[in-house]
Amino acid sequence: EPEVTQTPSHQVTQMGQEVILRCVPISNHLYFYWYRQILGQKVEFLVSFYNNEISEKSEIFDDQFSVERPDGSNFTLKIRSTKLEDSAMYFCASRGETSGGSWETQYFGPGTRLLVL
Amino acid sequence: AQTVTQSQPEMSVQDAETVTLSCTYDTSENNYYLFWYKQPPSRQMILVIRQEAYKQQNATENRFSVNFQKAAKSFSLKISDSQLGDTAMYFCAFMPGNTPLVFGKGTRLSVIA
Repeated sequence: EPEVTQTPSHQVTQMGQEVILRCVPISNHLYFYWYRQILGQKVEFLVSFYNNEISEKSEIFDDQFSVERPDGSNFTLKIRSTKLEDSAMYFCASRGETSGGSWETQYFGPGTRLLVL
Repeated sequence: AQTVTQSQPEMSVQDAETVTLSCTYDTSENNYYLFWYKQPPSRQMILVIRQEAYKQQNATENRFSVNFQKAAKSFSLKISDSQLGDTAMYFCAFMPGNTPLVFGKGTRLSVIA
């Protein structure tokens, strides 16, 4: 069964460093998302991406964040200068089955656990 | 603002018993989708069940079923014949149209042998 994959599974970085989190969505999906979950808290929306551009973003998604779909398969989240409070689990999700499946259901990757020291 | 409320931070159930997790939401939309996701200790988000708001029939997936009350904006999850592997955080989530998911704060369920 197709699934969303994410790399790396864990990342430790120093405050102020740039990190890139990578995701490979399900191949025939059209909508892509990044969410984050600070330990012990609920899942929060960061950004959605459709038709090669950002379709919606939250207040969390400030100028330090950017997303890209560089090659038609990968979907990346870049944090330019990490802060301590960026430490969280970052989830990629995709939806929009184009071949008769579930259009509205978002399928999540396993997450990247980011720790900023 | 669209909100999802899970009023039970923690619950426990004996294995083989039935448990119901509650969820309410607030929206002015008429067409939307509701989901329950399971998050085991690995922290992966796993879809448990989904419900389309325009369908009156409650969704079921094996031991999992929902009680969807649209007028009351309520979407509870019933787990029958609970198993140790059901131990996890359960998140209720809501998606009005083509918008991102809005999650509740979760309910931590422990299944006790």
